[in-house]
Amino acid sequence: QVLLVESGGGVVQPGRSLRLSCAASGFTFSNFSIHWVRQAPGKGLEWVAVMSYDGSTKYYADSVKGRFTISRDTSKNSLYLRMNSLRAEDTAVYYCARDPNAGTYGYDYFDYWGQGTLVTVSS
Amino acid sequence: DIQMTQSPSTLSASVGDRVTITCRASQSISSWLAWYQQKPGKAPKVLIYKASNLEHGVPSRFSGSGSGTEFTLTISSLQPDDFATYYCQQYNTYWTFGQGTKVEIK
Repeated sequence: QVLLVESGGGVVQPGRSLRLSCAASGFTFSNFSIHWVRQAPGKGLEWVAVMSYDGSTKYYADSVKGRFTISRDTSKNSLYLRMNSLRAEDTAVYYCARDPNAGTYGYDYFDYWGQGTLVTVSS
Repeated sequence: DIQMTQSPSTLSASVGDRVTITCRASQSISSWLAWYQQKPGKAPKVLIYKASNLEHGVPSRFSGSGSGTEFTLTISSLQPDDFATYYCQQYNTYWTFGQGTKVEIK
């Protein structure tokens, strides 16, 4: 079955960096676009970033542009989110989520989500 | 940027009630709208995509309607498992979520 497992969260001081991972299984990773979505404690969902299925296209939310970088390693079926210059407002559970369409890139909904990893930015 | 506004923010209802949640977009998004259900400590789960299409495995008591800027999610007969928070999401241009509607026990 389709499985997405996030890791790498933790407590980090403001201004520092952290890298999150999303390990995929149960489907052909290189055929699907994957997103990062976050949720601050007690708040709603915020889309963060996406990498297209072929790795050619990356988009970021304005709130993280220039600080966060999305990447992937298809040999490890893994997606990453490098987060630099972290701020208190980046504190959230970070989810990876899959686009439902194989081999295409466009705007679509998210059909599978991981369980999330908590990032806390605090001194 | 496209803004999504849900109403109400909280809804108190009883088992068996018909429940309707509204989502409004700040500009037309055609039918590019999804609905998700989220329970505490869990990831969101898609219920409806393209405004009115039921995701595989989702009970038929859930339905969606609308196009353009106004959309609704209806639960025809609320079940104990349905008490959760519901989010709409537009995917016409990038991705934006509504602020959520918590369905709680009356």
